[in-house]
Amino acid sequence: KQEVTQIPAALSVPEGENLVLNCSFTDSAIYNLQWFRQDPGKGLTSLLLIQSSQREQTSGRLNASLDKSSGRSTLYIAASQPGDSATYLCAVKRVTSGSRLTFGEGTQLTVNP
Amino acid sequence: DTAVSQTPKYLVTQMGNDKSIKCEQNLGHDTMYWYKQDSKKFLKIMFSYNNKELIINETVPNRFSPKSPDKAHLNLHINSLELGDSAVYFCASSGTGGGFVITGELFFGEGSRLTVL
Repeated sequence: KQEVTQIPAALSVPEGENLVLNCSFTDSAIYNLQWFRQDPGKGLTSLLLIQSSQREQTSGRLNASLDKSSGRSTLYIAASQPGDSATYLCAVKRVTSGSRLTFGEGTQLTVNP
Repeated sequence: DTAVSQTPKYLVTQMGNDKSIKCEQNLGHDTMYWYKQDSKKFLKIMFSYNNKELIINETVPNRFSPKSPDKAHLNLHINSLELGDSAVYFCASSGTGGGFVITGELFFGEGSRLTVL
């Protein structure tokens, strides 16, 4: 059974700081890992998708890395802004789970102006 | 322009009633999903359809019945609503990388918040 853990559960930083969100998973046989953000009362917005053969993906100020062997992914946010405040979720698609995604519980990020 | 749209956004109803939530995607994807997000914000898959065929059916009470009239639509009907059904229900879709395994990126709707009184 795949378990996905995100640490920390909540994070508060001043504007401009670089920060790292962590995601770990127990079964390294994955197809891909996806990072999402969720704003209060809203749906999930896909940020980055990393296929199992990839090591990292970048989009603007976001960089996600994947280390399958150790069961870890990190989401790096550079020069954080108040608009980055949201809950960040990682989700993993296992090789044996068909199209299921297993979600972590999320990291609630607050960037203070 | 909305990629995955679901209606209604809010639904307040009494216990015992039957209600439906509709979902449509215009991304040309062939796989659609229903996820449930509980009060602790944990997301869990309920159902998945690929080209109108049910491929995932998690341990969900049979009061929940999904229906996919075509690959762009996936509706969720709930019979005899209970207090514990209160949650936000998210529809999502993804494209296939070929074959049974769906390797593509997942796109979510804005959610339908169901409150059962």
